[in-house]
Amino acid sequence: AQKVTQAQTEISVVEKEDVTLDCVYETRDTTYYLFWYKQPPSGELVFLIRRNSFDEQNEISGRYSWNFQKSTSSFNFTITASQVVDSAVYFCALRNTGKLIFGQGTTLQVKP
Amino acid sequence: DSGVTQTPKHLITATGQRVTLRCSPRSGDLSVYWYQQSLDQGLQFLIQYYNGEERAKGNILERFSAQQFPDLHSELNLSSLELGDSALYFCASSVGSDYGYTFGSGTRLTVV
Repeated sequence: AQKVTQAQTEISVVEKEDVTLDCVYETRDTTYYLFWYKQPPSGELVFLIRRNSFDEQNEISGRYSWNFQKSTSSFNFTITASQVVDSAVYFCALRNTGKLIFGQGTTLQVKP
Repeated sequence: DSGVTQTPKHLITATGQRVTLRCSPRSGDLSVYWYQQSLDQGLQFLIQYYNGEERAKGNILERFSAQQFPDLHSELNLSSLELGDSALYFCASSVGSDYGYTFGSGTRLTVV
């Protein structure tokens, strides 16, 4: 079965702290894609990253970085020096036969 | 603006009624996906259309139906509405199944 687990329901940090959001996935496919989306309080889903299963290189984009480890089926997301504007719900997702399977989401609250 | 347009943004209706949600995909995208986000079920895939044809079905109720028109816009029809159908309904589009997904801003449906 295809499944995405985000065990952290809510995380609260103080501004400028680093925070890591965990994502563990299950799939029998050898080729697959993983995604992270951000859902700010306004409600829209904002695409952050797509990673295919053949590319295990970590990626950094500004204060965001992603650590993909096939051996542990994890695709974790780190925000460095968090800011209040990072407060949102973050979703990890797995592409399965075209559709996305989402985790339950992690609500991140960054306090000033 | 993601390029995916959903209308209306908000909808309040009574139980037993029928509503139609509309989605215009990003220019050039052939695939349209519908997702439901509710508090208890999270983000759930409903249905996918590709160039006018149904491609995949998820946990879509029989009271719900969708179609994609020749101009590639899609409509999601929800009938015999129940309180539990209150949710945020997202449309996403992509060029094909192997590409990234762009989400619209969603339609918030409230059934009273």
